[in-house]
Amino acid sequence: EVQLVESGGGLVKPGESLRLSCAASGFTFSSYYMNWVRQAPGKGLEWVSFISTSGSYIDYADSVKGRFTISRDNAKSSLYLQMNSLRAEDTAVYYCVSGSYRLDHWGLGTLVTVSS
Amino acid sequence: AIQLTQSPSSLSASVGDRVTITCRTSEAISSDLAWYQQKPGQPPKLLIYDASSLQSGVPPRFSGSGSGTDFTLTINYLLPEDLATYYCQQFNSYPRTFGQGTRVENK
Repeated sequence: EVQLVESGGGLVKPGESLRLSCAASGFTFSSYYMNWVRQAPGKGLEWVSFISTSGSYIDYADSVKGRFTISRDNAKSSLYLQMNSLRAEDTAVYYCVSGSYRLDHWGLGTLVTVSS
Repeated sequence: AIQLTQSPSSLSASVGDRVTITCRTSEAISSDLAWYQQKPGQPPKLLIYDASSLQSGVPPRFSGSGSGTDFTLTINYLLPEDLATYYCQQFNSYPRTFGQGTRVENK
C-alpha cells in the first residue's frame, strides 16, 4: 500500500524558516516525480513545487520561487521542502503528492501556520 | 500559467441525480486534465485522468469527457458519499494549476 507521511509543520513567525519532510513507502520512490501541493484554510488547491526522479528537474510556483527549495533523498525514500522567509499567506496544509502528470497518491498533509 | 475555471462553484443535488461539472481552460491542453474529489478533513483523491480515464477503484458512475479547452465531470446517480468538493487540474504544462473547486451539497 502506498503511504506518504508528512511531518515538520507547525507555528512559526513571519520571516522564519521551516523544513517539511515526507516519508514514502509502498512503491518505488526513486521512479516517481514528487510534488508539494498546499491548501490554505477553507480555500482551494495550489501546486507548490515538483522534483524529477533524479532531482535534475525542479520547478516552483511563482508565489514561492526564491523562498522554497524542494529536494529528495532516494536512498531514504524521502521528500523535503525547505521554506524560508515565510509569510502569512503561506499558511496552509502542505501535501506530499506522487506523480508527474496526474497526482495519484496524496499524504494526509501537515499544517503550517505563519503568524506573529 | 494556464487558468482553469470551474462551473458552477457550488450546486445542490439529491441522491439519484445526475450531476455535471464543467472546467474550462485558458488555452488548449489536449486531454491533459485530471479530476479530484475532496471530502472535509481528507486529502484529494484522483478520480479521472487524461480527461476520461477512470482511476483504478473509482466507481463507474463517475465519468469525464472533453479535450482542448472544455471538459466535463459527470456523476451518474449521485450517492450520499459523493457529497464533496471536486477540482480539475491541468498537467499540460508547469506550473500545474487547479480549478477553484465545485462543492456538491445535499439538496
